[in-house]
Amino acid sequence: DGGITQSPKYLFRKEGQNVTLSCEQNLNHDAMYWYRQDPGQGLRLIYYSQIVNDFQKGDIAEGYSVSREKKESFPLTVTSAQKNPTAFYLCASSLDKYNEQFFGPGTRLTVL
Amino acid sequence: QKEVEQDPGPLSVPEGAIVSLNCTYSNSAFQYFMWYRQYSRKGPELLMYTYSSGNKEDGRFTAQVDKSSKYISLFIRDSQPSDSATYLCATPHPPNAGGTSYGKLTFGQGTILTVHP
Repeated sequence: DGGITQSPKYLFRKEGQNVTLSCEQNLNHDAMYWYRQDPGQGLRLIYYSQIVNDFQKGDIAEGYSVSREKKESFPLTVTSAQKNPTAFYLCASSLDKYNEQFFGPGTRLTVL
Repeated sequence: QKEVEQDPGPLSVPEGAIVSLNCTYSNSAFQYFMWYRQYSRKGPELLMYTYSSGNKEDGRFTAQVDKSSKYISLFIRDSQPSDSATYLCATPHPPNAGGTSYGKLTFGQGTILTVHP
């Protein structure tokens, strides 16, 4: 089956720890995106990547880092520098930057 | 002012009602519009994608764009309990001053809809 997978579904982190969220797609899409969703605020773009080995900051990149070593993978690291990391994180991909984006199931991160 | 505004609701309607969901936008350069549906604790799924002004119909769903008023709508006919979800409008960001576009989607806040039997 083609699609976007994210893991884990739920993640708990202690303050001061870095955590990495996984995002994999087998749709052969070039572009991949990370969004954060908080109640009442819609989705906000964290990072995006149009091609392998290239990525750009979105609107709220502070405290996050990404890599794009393979076309199908776009992991997101939430660092200890992110002050309010508790949120629902969504990964998306699109054929290219001009096409509609398809979303994964999301990872809910909670900081204890 | 947010670039895309959407009433978060919540909106509660009886089964069979016609539902109207709306967004307004401020940037006249926005040209494409999307509606996503998001069930609780799931990722959004694309419902409809429109470009021009006017109506686009897909089954019980109709998307309407009025570029003169910068107003977009999603109508759901014969609403069902399975339509209960959050509905998000979105638009791709227009190209920046350098003439490139990185595909950023600007989302509304989402409207929470409940259809009760």
